[in-house]
Amino acid sequence: DSGVTQTPKHLITATGQRVTLRCSPRSGDLSVYWYQQSLDQGLQFLIQYYNGEERAKGNILERFSAQQFPDLHSELNLSSLELGDSALYFCASSVVGNTQYFGPGTRLTVL
Amino acid sequence: QKEVEQDPGPLSVPEGAIVSLNCTYSNSAFQYFMWYRQYSRKGPELLMYTYSSGNKEDGRFTAQVDKSSKYISLFIRDSQPSDSATYLCAMKPLLTGNQFYFGTGTSLTVIP
Repeated sequence: DSGVTQTPKHLITATGQRVTLRCSPRSGDLSVYWYQQSLDQGLQFLIQYYNGEERAKGNILERFSAQQFPDLHSELNLSSLELGDSALYFCASSVVGNTQYFGPGTRLTVL
Repeated sequence: QKEVEQDPGPLSVPEGAIVSLNCTYSNSAFQYFMWYRQYSRKGPELLMYTYSSGNKEDGRFTAQVDKSSKYISLFIRDSQPSDSATYLCAMKPLLTGNQFYFGTGTSLTVIP
């Protein structure tokens, strides 16, 4: 158990809908990272927050957004969902930024 | 050219074999190097973490970093069926930016 929690574990929704994925980092970790992993692709970095502020942005679509709250948990919002958004979404956290620990992921299925 | 290149495999070895997994990279600013193990549909699990060049050993696992060749390796000795997973390399610069760069992963199967 890495100490990073993600909810929900599974999410099934329809195209055009909006969903929110939640992540709680390890105790003491200030950085949260979001990744997308599709079947045929590796981990795609989406976005990073550090102590509530956005620090780095990767290949995140405009339909996606994220935030980190004062209690350091983070939410990833996915809107106008398309079939191609079906993937595993991972959250990772770190304390000093030189390594990171991953949560169990949320499996999103868009029908 | 991708920042990090990793042969996707799949790699299949008999139980007890020595496994060698490798990644190459292009960014000379990378200073932190990691290996993750990912079982099917699970979150990646940190296996090894190395700063700069050199070797690091942990049980049956050895991580090597050759910065002059921009090449990192993970060796697994006495491989077990429970080692069957996808192995991801990851790396990060020392100061420039906060993004981690991942390889696409190598799928390993250890046959009993």
